[in-house]
Amino acid sequence: RKEVEQDPGPFNVPEGATVAFNCTYSNSASQSFFWYRQDCRKEPKLLMSVYSSGNEDGRFTAQLNRASQYISLLIRDSKLSDSATYLCVVRRPGNTPLVFGKGTRLSVIA
Amino acid sequence: EAGVVQSPRYKIIEKKQPVAFWCNPISGHNTLYWYLQNLGQGPELLIRYENEEAVDDSQLPKDRFSAERLKGVDSTLKIQPAELGDSAVYLCASSSGTGRRSNEQFFGPGTRLTVL
Repeated sequence: RKEVEQDPGPFNVPEGATVAFNCTYSNSASQSFFWYRQDCRKEPKLLMSVYSSGNEDGRFTAQLNRASQYISLLIRDSKLSDSATYLCVVRRPGNTPLVFGKGTRLSVIA
Repeated sequence: EAGVVQSPRYKIIEKKQPVAFWCNPISGHNTLYWYLQNLGQGPELLIRYENEEAVDDSQLPKDRFSAERLKGVDSTLKIQPAELGDSAVYLCASSSGTGRRSNEQFFGPGTRLTVL
């Protein structure tokens, strides 16, 4: 079983739609969680960190459920420019590297 | 401020040939990472440096891959000899601080390697 699992998609949604991605992680001791965004043929870039209390950044909302070991990302009012691959990322305890999921591909259609 | 710089951006070689990739991290970033990313997959760590010390190289195939960061700044990743299965994007990333303060990693544009 992969340490971080995501539905690869693709998710094809119309502009203005709300879309949600989930991600599960296997190491219950994981301590930090993130969503990275990767455009086609580009490098990954940090979208947002995920906190236990949940956090919001404009149209994006991230949630963490430690008991069930899953992380979610909600995108409201989707824009064409939101089309990308969204990578779920966790960090194990201590000074350890990030572990990336396969990514979920989103296509927002006009 | 310049981001992470990588070269070359693209490389096509024949199998059994050697190849080297270069990375210059963001100025002042003490932690440097090399990742491999296959199509449809997330980045997978190959090696991580804290300054000039390799602190995590458990995923680096040491029979053919090697890396160095001699002065704790730029780094080189080498494959010798390359195999068909090495075709992938090789990403370099850097971050500042250690432990919990090193959460955000900044990635370079990557080197897309094709082995024929």
